[in-house]
Formats: sequence, C-alpha cells, structure tokens
Amino acid sequence: GAVVSQHPSRVICKSGTSVKIECRSLDFQATTMFWYRQFPKQSLMLMATSNEGSKATYEQGVEKDKFLINHASLTLSTLTVTSAHPEDSSFYICSARSRPGEKETQYFGPGTRLLVL
Amino acid sequence: DQQVKQNSPSLSVQEGRISILNCDYTNSMFDYFLWYKKYPAEGPTFLISISSIKDKNEDGRFTVFLNKSAKHLSLHIVPSQPGDSAVYFCAAAKEIRGSSNTGKLIFGQGTTLQVKP
Repeated sequence: GAVVSQHPSRVICKSGTSVKIECRSLDFQATTMFWYRQFPKQSLMLMATSNEGSKATYEQGVEKDKFLINHASLTLSTLTVTSAHPEDSSFYICSARSRPGEKETQYFGPGTRLLVL
Repeated sequence: DQQVKQNSPSLSVQEGRISILNCDYTNSMFDYFLWYKKYPAEGPTFLISISSIKDKNEDGRFTVFLNKSAKHLSLHIVPSQPGDSAVYFCAAAKEIRGSSNTGKLIFGQGTTLQVKP
C-alpha cells in the first residue's frame, strides 16, 4: 500500500510554545489529507480536512486559529499547534488519499505523540 | 452524537477460531465502510472495505458483511492468529459530490482483539 510518513514521531514541549507536525505522502500525490487526534482508549476524531492549494475545512469544535493547517504541495501537509497547552497533549495522526471523488482508501501516517508540559 | 459504534470494547478468542467484530451505524447516508487495524502508538492500517451496494467482501482470512437494513457490519477473521491481536476500528464514509469533504471517515471507538495461542 501507499506510504505516509509523519515527523516528528514524538515531541515534548513547554506550555505556550508552538509545535509543527509534518505529514508526507511518499509515493503518491495526495490531493486531500486529513488530520485526526486520538485520546487514550478513544476513537480517532477528525480535526480537519486539508486540500492542496485551498483552506482547510475544520470539524465543529476545532479551533482553526489554534490548529493551523497548511497543504502547500501534493505531498506535504503540516499541522501547527499554536501556543500549546497540556490539554493539547494527544496522539495526532494524518491520513492521505490520492483521488478525489473516488471511494479510495485513506492511508495513515504512524502518528505523532505530543506531550505538553 | 456517535454515528459509528463498536459496542464491544474487547474480544478474546483462541488461535484458529473465528473472530467476529461488530459495528453499528446510525446515518443511512453512509455508503462506504472500512475496517482498520491499529497497534499502540502507530497509525491505523487498512484491512478491508465494502461499498453499500454489496453485502459481502472477502480478502483472504478477512470477510466483511454489511446488513444495510440493520445498519450493521461485521468483520470476520478466520482462522484467527496471535498476530491479529490489535485494536480494530470500523469507519464509515459518505461521498458528497463536489464537496471538499469528500471521503471524510467517521470512526467507531475500536475493539481490542486478543488472540490467545
């Protein structure tokens, strides 16, 4: 299957700092990427949908000014957690799909563990 | 509002026997369903999917059954192997033509499968 990478895999930061997480599709062009977060023992919650060259679409309850998403190319989307606080500590996972309008499978990255102290 | 539900948080089966994981959904607009397998601290891995025009899809040891009238789907793994031990998520999607949200997945809470040797 297709490969999606995330960087970093783990990050620890102080409260108030900003953290950038990169999501890359390594062997295909991803017109759409999705960002999820997962709390322990809970489901994956979709945060936003990122389309290359356009603004991200955020799910209800997700602060777009806090979680900045940039999908600058067909292989890269970034999620920036601005002014991170301990409650932002979570497991962030991105996924990518290649063809819009098709029922294509989403390929997930390995996730990024964020711990805000 | 939990649109996709996996009511069994855990399941334990003996190696070689059948594992049956269940999933229910509430939104009749969903027309595509997927099963993912996830290990701790990793992203989900796609297993198998089914379109709403079918009631069964088989891939090796994995078979997914869809009962649209009951809004229920299940994943059968036979024979179960210890390496199948993981968290299994079902996900549902609805294709909205022309929308940037095409392909958005809604996940269930997950079922932890343990296959005992």
